[in-house]
Amino acid sequence: GAGVSQSPSNKVTEKGKDVELRCDPISGHTALYWYRQSLGQGLEFLIYFQGNSAPDKSGLPSDRFSAERTGGSVSTLTIQRTQQEDSAVYLCASGVGAKTQYFGPGTRLLVL
Amino acid sequence: DAKTTQPPSMDCAEGRAANLPCNHSTISGNEYVYWYRQIHSQGPQYIIHGLKNNETNEMASLIITEDRKSSTLILPHATLRDTAVYYCIVRAITGNQFYFGTGTSLTVIP
Repeated sequence: GAGVSQSPSNKVTEKGKDVELRCDPISGHTALYWYRQSLGQGLEFLIYFQGNSAPDKSGLPSDRFSAERTGGSVSTLTIQRTQQEDSAVYLCASGVGAKTQYFGPGTRLLVL
Repeated sequence: DAKTTQPPSMDCAEGRAANLPCNHSTISGNEYVYWYRQIHSQGPQYIIHGLKNNETNEMASLIITEDRKSSTLILPHATLRDTAVYYCIVRAITGNQFYFGTGTSLTVIP
């Protein structure tokens, strides 16, 4: 497809389990961002990848959160030992360089 | 730190122009003004961005004051599908992060 895709679209998990969220950016986009959005809140920056540079992890809320970007394309956000406060919509965006971002539809995570 | 101030909500009559204000009094010379919107249950959508000059595209116009301390997003003929949360963001040319803040919830009324 032409846009950013994310999977799964919805994820329900039990507290303490690990989850992996996937992002497929637009082909050719060198920049990739992860955000999360809690109910009724604005977007919270998590992590930023740009080409082969070291990622900007300054937004990750704890060491339970990590992300990888393989081959400069697909990215996986991993949350270990999930907590109820991790429940949110996780949004991925990609762009050319560090300019305009194009967002995916998000993954809705619910931790029971 | 969102670095912008927007009214939390606005209404606009269908067919009228929607003018959404944004204050960014601490903006620096290398920071752009970006506007995104987020329709319920969807990811944010890019609308427009600018540095100093006013900008127009097929979606909207962006008016930036001469001192660059504020800007206005104009949707010239609002439709019901324009009901969304509109985010004004300032971001350095070389910056990594987009700080979205809480935006303005625009409701277009029939």
